[in-house]
Amino acid sequence: GAGVSQSPSNKVTEKGKDVELRCDPISGHTALYWYRQSLGQGLEFLIYFQGNSAPDKSGLPSDRFSAERTGGSVSTLTIQRTQQEDSAVYLCASLRSLGGNTIYFGEGSWLTVV
Amino acid sequence: SQQGEEDPQALSIQEGENATMNCSYKTSINNLQWYRQNSGRGLVHLILIRSNEREKHSGRLRVTLDTSKKSSSLLITASRAADTASYFCATTNDYKLSFGAGTTVTVRA
Repeated sequence: GAGVSQSPSNKVTEKGKDVELRCDPISGHTALYWYRQSLGQGLEFLIYFQGNSAPDKSGLPSDRFSAERTGGSVSTLTIQRTQQEDSAVYLCASLRSLGGNTIYFGEGSWLTVV
Repeated sequence: SQQGEEDPQALSIQEGENATMNCSYKTSINNLQWYRQNSGRGLVHLILIRSNEREKHSGRLRVTLDTSKKSSSLLITASRAADTASYFCATTNDYKLSFGAGTTVTVRA
């Protein structure tokens, strides 16, 4: 697509429920990132994909968080048994290839856990 | 983890004035990028400067990079109300993209 697309744009869920956030990167972009941003804070790295593999998932805050990428394209971030502290904007970004290229961000998915 | 630190944390200026913000980082980089974020949503890419470049311009934006001091600056000239946003620097080392905490700029009409 023309840009990085994320869905849903907004999600309100009850504590303890599972949520899935989707990211459609720019076509042909091999690298994909997930970041989290709490209100008024900077961006917190979660996970990096190169193709379908995730060589760096060091930022996932707990085992309730997982992510996968299929076909070198769409990625899904899953949060199980959501907690209130999971409330944040989850941002996805993609990059054509490593080395000196612009990284493009989606509009984010705003998650509110009540 | 955050590598970059922006300074100042917040900036309030009058429309028409220039806005300058700085970014410092800790490790070696491939390039450094500046982003703008409105209302806590998606980040808009502003400019990329490579590690072997010292200055870059794009419209009303001027970015400098000093790798010896591990710092960069973003200058917005002739600011407008629409420039009100948070600005982030991001450094790239191999695949790692690390962000600072951002500078919140308010442009008063």
